[in-house]
Amino acid sequence: DAEITQSPRHKITETGRQVTLACHQTWNHNNMFWYRQDLGHGLRLIHYSYGVQDTNKGEVSDGYSVSRSNTEDLPLTLESAASSQTSVYFCASSEQGWEQYFGPGTRLTVT
Amino acid sequence: GNSVTQMEGPVTLSEEAFLTINCTYTATGYPSLFWYVQYPGEGLQLLLKATKADDKGSNKGFEATYRKETTSFHLEKGSVQVSDSAVYFCALSEINDYKLSFGAGTTVTVRA
Repeated sequence: DAEITQSPRHKITETGRQVTLACHQTWNHNNMFWYRQDLGHGLRLIHYSYGVQDTNKGEVSDGYSVSRSNTEDLPLTLESAASSQTSVYFCASSEQGWEQYFGPGTRLTVT
Repeated sequence: GNSVTQMEGPVTLSEEAFLTINCTYTATGYPSLFWYVQYPGEGLQLLLKATKADDKGSNKGFEATYRKETTSFHLEKGSVQVSDSAVYFCALSEINDYKLSFGAGTTVTVRA
């Protein structure tokens, strides 16, 4: 069965370190998204991609970057982790006009 | 820009009670509207959607009607079960745009 996976599921890191969160989907979807979930804010869009080599900034992109070298993967990098980036991160994918499928999430703690 | 406002939670109900979660939106065009549900410890999954005015989305006993005149998409269920305990998110996407804008989420707890 097709699926979307995220790794790691839990991560603790220190302020200033670079961190990369992995997202892998086997749906062969062109569209992929990264969100962060914080209490009181719902999900906020960090970055998104509509195909290989395409990346776009979302509403809360500062301090994050993504790259899309193939259809299946959209890794999210925190260049220099800050305590304000402690959150739960969700990756999602979709095909044109259809629902987004979400991964199980990564809980990141920056100490 | 686009925005979604949904009722504050948490909401606590007894089994078989009626559930309503209000959702209103602001959009520049004619968006598609969604309700997503997040069960404890899981990612979000689509509950229902509506793509044009007066459409009714329905799934698992939940319903929501796209009301353009009131810019609303309220979620309802006539008789909730303990298994409906979850966080519910209202969301929208603009036509020809695949990004979602989410509301803050409403936590629903159903007691036996």
